[in-house]
Amino acid sequence: QSVLTQPPSVSGAPGQRVTISCTGSSSNIGAGYDVHWYQQLPGTAPKLLIYGNSNRPSGVPARFFDSKSGTSASLAITGLQAEDEADYFCQSYDSSLSASVFGTGTTVTVL
Amino acid sequence: QVQLQESGPGLVKPSETLSLTCAVSGYSISSGFYWGWIRQPPGKGLEWIGSFYYSESPYYNPSLKSRVTISVDTSKNQFSLKLSSVTAADTAVYYCARRSTSWDSFDYWGQGTLVTVSS
Repeated sequence: QSVLTQPPSVSGAPGQRVTISCTGSSSNIGAGYDVHWYQQLPGTAPKLLIYGNSNRPSGVPARFFDSKSGTSASLAITGLQAEDEADYFCQSYDSSLSASVFGTGTTVTVL
Repeated sequence: QVQLQESGPGLVKPSETLSLTCAVSGYSISSGFYWGWIRQPPGKGLEWIGSFYYSESPYYNPSLKSRVTISVDTSKNQFSLKLSSVTAADTAVYYCARRSTSWDSFDYWGQGTLVTVSS
């Protein structure tokens, strides 16, 4: 059971904006630990999308951006494209568990 | 270009030990960065198993710590995972990955290898 909760699925039409939430607690996101985001296309390994303080690795478009407030974080995708159909995971550190933890994952569907 | 490649048996019997190796190319493990293992049961989420820095002791997910050993062979530029007393719950795709020294994020991943625990 993950300590970071994400909605199982979100969907949007091409060009629209979708937001994925990542809800944690005072021992992880609320404690100020960084939140990172990954994109996993079907049958492939996760790909780092955003890390640290809203940093994007080279090649990741600016359509992907994150935010954090209290015990939650969010990933927003603007200008949704068919190629964005994938699973998305958040990741942080939990001081109670003394472990890196991942979110439950969200499947993005482009209508 | 940093590349990681997992290898090992795809089928392990219950109660036995799962052993995997991650070969790294394009970067020397002893040059820096952390390295680690993450797994993903079929159709489920990701679980961090453990990480290490080449000159330090590995650290593990407390939920698996009693069964996990990560070791490194810098001469071969590879590192290994051993998970003992496996059960069907350990069936998963196992990934090796590189972790930033500044952040807890994993920036390079292997393609993953499916390990099934079954008699």
